[in-house]
This record gives sequence, C-alpha cells and structure tokens, in this order.
Amino acid sequence: DVKVTQSSRYLVKRTGEKVFLECVQDMDHENMFWYRQDPGLGLRLIYFSYDVKMKEKGDIPEGYSVSREKKERFSLILESASTNQTSMYLCASGTLSQNQPQHFGDGTRLSIL
Amino acid sequence: AQSVTQLGSHVSVSEGALVLLRCNYSSSVPPYLFWYVQYPNQGLQLLLKYTSAATLVKGINGFEAEFKKSETSFHLTKPSAHMSDAAEYFCAVSPSGGGADGLTFGKGTHLIIQP
Repeated sequence: DVKVTQSSRYLVKRTGEKVFLECVQDMDHENMFWYRQDPGLGLRLIYFSYDVKMKEKGDIPEGYSVSREKKERFSLILESASTNQTSMYLCASGTLSQNQPQHFGDGTRLSIL
Repeated sequence: AQSVTQLGSHVSVSEGALVLLRCNYSSSVPPYLFWYVQYPNQGLQLLLKYTSAATLVKGINGFEAEFKKSETSFHLTKPSAHMSDAAEYFCAVSPSGGGADGLTFGKGTHLIIQP
C-alpha cells in the first residue's frame, strides 16, 4: 500500500515566520504535489514536482516555494507566513504510469496567528 | 483548461435511500475523472476512476459512477445510503491518468445521512 506521510497533523505558527511542511512517500513515485484545501473552494494545486530538484507552479503558487532534494521527500515552504495562509495542506504522490491515481497524505492543518 | 462543477455543496439523504452526487466537467482533451472521499480529519481516499475503459465505473463501498460524454457528466451514485457514508466527496479531472499531472477538483459536496 502506498504511504504518504505528512510530518505534522496540526501546526500553529506566527505571522512572518518561515514555515516548513514536510511530506514523504514510500512508493518511489516520480511525481509529488502540494494542495491547499479551504471550505467551499475544494483543493487547489500549489506546486508539483516531477523529479528531484524540479518544480512546477500550480494554480496558486504565490507566497509559497518548494524543495525536492530527494525523490521521496517534498517540502512546502511559506517564506513569510501570513494569516491568509491558514488552511489545510495536503500532499500527494503519483506515478507517470497512466491509470494510476494520486495518493494523498492525511493533511496538515496550519494556523497562522 | 479544465474545470469541475459539483452541484450542491450539501446533500442530505435518509439512511437506505439513493445517493446521487452530481459532477460536470469541462476539458479540452478526453478526460480522466475521479471521485475521492474525505472523512473527518483524514486525507483523500480514491473511490473510483474513469480512464476510458468503461463508461460505468464501480468503486469501493458500493459506489459507482457513469461517464456521459454528451452531458459532460460523471455523477456518483449508491443505491442505499449508510450512516458511514457521511463525508465530503470531491470530483476531480486530469488530462492524464492522474498520477502525472495536478488534479483539478470541484468544490466538494458534503453528504449528510439522516437516520
């Protein structure tokens, strides 16, 4: 079974802090994704990566950056956290093989005070 | 560009009744379509996926969905609702199989089961 693990379920940070959200997958998937989930808006893609050290902007990349130094790990970085970044963040991984869906972690609920 | 519309942010049905959650999509290429379920405080779990092999797709927990190209729809159904079906349901579209590109999600439908 594919396992996508997000390091924190709940996180509370202060405005202006640099915040790191970590995600690890154990299935040797090429692709990894970060989504943000907000009530009434569904999930929106922030960034994704299709290889080590590669990254692509999604639909809402502003205020975020990412890092992928190893194939199994994909980090989301909030350079200077703001209150409007309070949200649920979901990481997913997937393979280039068609017909294979993305697998999601349990999410990190981030509060910025 | 792709988009997904889920009709009804909240749907309430009685236990044992038919569940129908609506999803319409727009896509410039033949789409891959997915339904995911999210239980409270959990991530997303795949219910089923359409990948052009068959228009009627069966998923887990008794759910199924029918792809109708002429209506650009992929509605999710279950003949008899169970209390354990109460959750948030998301329809999503992808130009590829789903693992290679970011998914475009609908805004979600919260399914409420009345005893």
